[in-house]
Amino acid sequence: DSGVTQTPKHLITATGQRVTLRCSPRSGDLSVYWYQQSLDQGLQFLIQYYNGEERAKGNILERFSAQQFPDLHSELNLSSLELGDSALYFCASSVEVGYSYEQYFGPGTRLTVT
Amino acid sequence: LAKTTQPISMDSYEGQEVNITCSHNNIATNDYITWYQQFPSQGPRFIIQGYKTKVTNEVASLFIPADRKSSTLSLPRVSLSDTAVYYCLVGDRSGSGTYKYIFGTGTRLKVLA
Repeated sequence: DSGVTQTPKHLITATGQRVTLRCSPRSGDLSVYWYQQSLDQGLQFLIQYYNGEERAKGNILERFSAQQFPDLHSELNLSSLELGDSALYFCASSVEVGYSYEQYFGPGTRLTVT
Repeated sequence: LAKTTQPISMDSYEGQEVNITCSHNNIATNDYITWYQQFPSQGPRFIIQGYKTKVTNEVASLFIPADRKSSTLSLPRVSLSDTAVYYCLVGDRSGSGTYKYIFGTGTRLKVLA
């Protein structure tokens, strides 16, 4: 158990809908990262927050947004869902010491868009 | 866009040493190289991290040449339970200069009895 929790574990929804994925980082970790894993694209970095501020951004679609709250939990919002958004979404957290970091991953949320 | 490439798959027998290489020609100057292990339907799990030369912990070694454009994960005496997909992760500051994390393409290791 990494100490990172994600809810829900599974999510099935229809095209055009909007969903919110939630992540609670390990106690003491200030950074939260979101990744998407699909069969054809592998593990893709979406976005990172550090203590509430956006720190780094990957190829995150404009239909997707995220935020980190004062209690450090994070939410990833996916809107106008398409079939191609079906994937595993992972959250990770870390304590950053300079450029060294170990990202601890949660169990993921499996999103199925029908 | 930076490419971080790994061999697609490898087979090995129990007890052998396995070396998996990752090429990351656009690694950010100050960034560390990290390796993860992933089992089906689970999140990646941290194995080892390094900046240059050699790092060793209780489960693996990591070799990084001076130019840091590649790294090699070494797993000594693998067992059946090491069957998994292995990924390298690096930071990249290419393109527009924005920073992003890049996972390698992943290497599927199958350990045979």
